[in-house]
Amino acid sequence: GNSVTQMEGPVTLSEEAFLTINCTYTATGYPSLFWYVQYPGEGLQLLLKATKADDKGSNKGFEATYRKETTSFHLEKGSVQVSDSAVYFCALSDYNFNKFYFGSGTKLNVKP
Amino acid sequence: GAGVSQSPSNKVTEKGKDVELRCDPISGHTALYWYRQSLGQGLEFLIYFQGNSAPDKSGLPSDRFSAERTGGSVSTLTIQRTQQEDSAVYLCASSNSNAGKGQPQHFGDGTRLSIL
Repeated sequence: GNSVTQMEGPVTLSEEAFLTINCTYTATGYPSLFWYVQYPGEGLQLLLKATKADDKGSNKGFEATYRKETTSFHLEKGSVQVSDSAVYFCALSDYNFNKFYFGSGTKLNVKP
Repeated sequence: GAGVSQSPSNKVTEKGKDVELRCDPISGHTALYWYRQSLGQGLEFLIYFQGNSAPDKSGLPSDRFSAERTGGSVSTLTIQRTQQEDSAVYLCASSNSNAGKGQPQHFGDGTRLSIL
């Protein structure tokens, strides 16, 4: 079946540090991949997405590349800010039914 | 345009009472999802409506939980005989799945349910 696995948090970084949050998936066919962000006290927002192998999604300085050979979609940012502190969710939608599967979320704390 | 709207935003009720949570999806979105998020936890899938197809109810935790979607638009999640463990934020999301592959979900702000 379909599933998403994320690295466990919390991840604590200093401002301007490099960020990687690992995400791997299991899916049949050709899923689409997403990263969502949930800021404290807010709902989930789409951060970026990729719909086919080797696509790179990017937004707000965050990037993730759809790697079919390693079934991964790791989230990266070159220099994090305090305002990036949030919970990040990796997700996939399956090809046939557009049903979504979410990872467990990774909490990021950025300290000044 | 308007996003996904959920009501009420907060609900406090006594154990054993029934509650109804409402979701208004984005107009034209054919897919609608309900999730539950307990404090500090991830998303727990509850139910998924896709167009006129039978809903995927595989995530409903017990027969006290039910949901319907009328006219392919508004959805109501009902919890009967509420228990304290039902306390959580209930999130609704919709997507335009007929627009092709890779359509994202759009989330509402959720209903925070507290069972006393």
